[in-house]
Amino acid sequence: AQKITQTQPGMFVQEKEAVTLDCTYDTSDPSYGLFWYKQPSSGEMIFLIYQGSYDQQNATEGRYSLNFQKARKSANLVISASQLGDSAMYFCAMREPLGGNKLVFGAGTILRVKS
Amino acid sequence: KAGVTQTPRYLIKTRGQQVTLSCSPISGHRSVSWYQQTPGQGLQFLFEYFSETQRNKGNFPGRFSGRQFSNSRSEMNVSTLELGDSALYLCASSAITGTGAEQFFGPGTRLTVL
Repeated sequence: AQKITQTQPGMFVQEKEAVTLDCTYDTSDPSYGLFWYKQPSSGEMIFLIYQGSYDQQNATEGRYSLNFQKARKSANLVISASQLGDSAMYFCAMREPLGGNKLVFGAGTILRVKS
Repeated sequence: KAGVTQTPRYLIKTRGQQVTLSCSPISGHRSVSWYQQTPGQGLQFLFEYFSETQRNKGNFPGRFSGRQFSNSRSEMNVSTLELGDSALYLCASSAITGTGAEQFFGPGTRLTVL
């Protein structure tokens, strides 16, 4: 069964600095997709970035980039130039092959940005 | 373009009752997925509907059911509520299924079972 591990329950970062949130995954399928979502205290899940297993380049979306290391089965999220509004819970998720849109989520990392 | 809407936003029920939650996807989206989020179990997949057909189902008891209408709106029903059903229920919509298509989440329905 697919599994997502986020080993950092909580992280602090100084405003304007970069931060890396860790995510490792476990799957035996060659085809899969990896997602990062942000969940503010309001509860809504906000899509940040997507990486397909066959994508040759690391995904980037504005201040977000995904450090995809396939051999190590890791998909770390890098947030550059942190802002106070980045304070939230961050989830890594994997879409199962042949599972439609089903996502398997990690436990999440709480990020707090300090001014 | 309107986002995903969920109603109601908050709900309080007592054990043994049943509840129906509604999710209206983004216009044109045909896939709706439901998730349960609790502090203890995290985010867990309930089911996905695509073009009115259940595409996939998570590991939940039969008390949890869902359906999708021809306009892609989806409902989920929980019968014989238990205290452990207290959770944030999130739905996500997507234009298609089974690819890297972005899934857009709604604000959630927070259910409290007393």
